[in-house]
Amino acid sequence: DTEVTQTPKHLVMGMTNKKSLKCEQHMGHRAMYWYKQKAKKPPELMFVYSYEKLSINESVPSRFSPECPNSSLLNLHLHALQPEDSALYLCASSQAQTYSNQPQHFGDGTRLSIL
Amino acid sequence: GDSVTQMEGPVTLSEEAFLTINCTYTATGYPSLFWYVQYPGEGLQLLLKATKADDKGSNKGFEATYRKETTSFHLEKGSVQVSDSAVYFCALSEGGYQKVTFGTGTKLQVIP
Repeated sequence: DTEVTQTPKHLVMGMTNKKSLKCEQHMGHRAMYWYKQKAKKPPELMFVYSYEKLSINESVPSRFSPECPNSSLLNLHLHALQPEDSALYLCASSQAQTYSNQPQHFGDGTRLSIL
Repeated sequence: GDSVTQMEGPVTLSEEAFLTINCTYTATGYPSLFWYVQYPGEGLQLLLKATKADDKGSNKGFEATYRKETTSFHLEKGSVQVSDSAVYFCALSEGGYQKVTFGTGTKLQVIP
């Protein structure tokens, strides 16, 4: 069982739709991450939240909008996406962003398809 | 900047064969090193880690030793099973901000 829960598992949306991806963890972790993973590639970092504040934005287009309502929840709001945004979106958490010797815990991801 | 180089896959082995997946890294400081595994349709799971030179990480029969002199962290298992079929990612993390640098991943296929 993964300790990071992501919903939905699959999402199909049109380019004009607005949708949100959700991520939840109850391990008391204070750092949370969004990654994008294309087929046969490693995960690419998108955003990092540390103590509920946005710490890193890897120059992600504004059609992706992250939100961290509290220490357990992380959302990714999607609007006007492009076909090339189709990918697996992974959420992860770790004890704290500055603890580089601690692993990240990943959810199973949301498989996103843009029509 | 930091980088991780893994051997190209896919790697195809018969059940009970010995596995080695090579991983070398470049880092400016003293990174922590990780192996993650991704099974089909799932996210990444931590397989093992090592945080300082000469540390050996081990889990589920897999082992890797942090070799600072050769900047390597090769993954080994003495006898693979069909259930080990997955993609394996070598990764490092260092510094005050935990940005993880992943290798490109190595797909392992174990045949009965």
